[in-house]
Amino acid sequence: GQQVMQIPQYQHVQEGEDFTTYCNSSTTLSNIQWYKQRPGGHPVFLIQLVKSGEVKKQKRLTFQFGEAKKNSSLHITATQTTDVGTYFCAVYSGGGADGLTFGKGTHLIIQP
Amino acid sequence: AAGVIQSPRHLIKEKRETATLKCYPIPRHDTVYWYQQGPGQDPQFLISFYEKMQSDKGSIPDRFSAQQFSDYHSELNMSSLELGDSALYFCASSLRGILYGYTFGSGTRLTVV
Repeated sequence: GQQVMQIPQYQHVQEGEDFTTYCNSSTTLSNIQWYKQRPGGHPVFLIQLVKSGEVKKQKRLTFQFGEAKKNSSLHITATQTTDVGTYFCAVYSGGGADGLTFGKGTHLIIQP
Repeated sequence: AAGVIQSPRHLIKEKRETATLKCYPIPRHDTVYWYQQGPGQDPQFLISFYEKMQSDKGSIPDRFSAQQFSDYHSELNMSSLELGDSALYFCASSLRGILYGYTFGSGTRLTVV
């Protein structure tokens, strides 16, 4: 099934700095979803990207889907302490399967 | 708005015991998913149900089984528990189709001792 490589695994930033996490696939993706999981919490759906080259924004968060639909990124501008958590990308395994496969996640740690 | 409800929140079992986790999806969501998440790990897909029928299967051990009932709630049954089964178990629901994100419940933390 589809798998994605997510980097970096950990990211330490000072509050106010920017943050980016990347997901890469060796195969073309039908779509990609992004989730955030706060420490001790559950994954929360952020957004879905479907179209080649798509860019979507949610306040300080910018999501991009590559032109070849093989990679995606999540960028946070001017991080705040509320951004702490793990950011996962997730894709469908393909072949009609409906279970999402998650990337390993990027743990964002913010130093005040 | 109603969310995905999971029970219990915490569960402690001994090795070789049996555990049953329950999930109540968002009303009108037609698909339920079960995930297992170890400490510091990504959620691993176990199994899903669409309209009360098993839809997709992931890395679910043979010791585990699940079903979805007529009222759409789902149960994950885990037998012959092992220490390695200690994890967070999430249920999620959505409308079927790749255009919809999942709504996760708060999870059940299972500890096997």
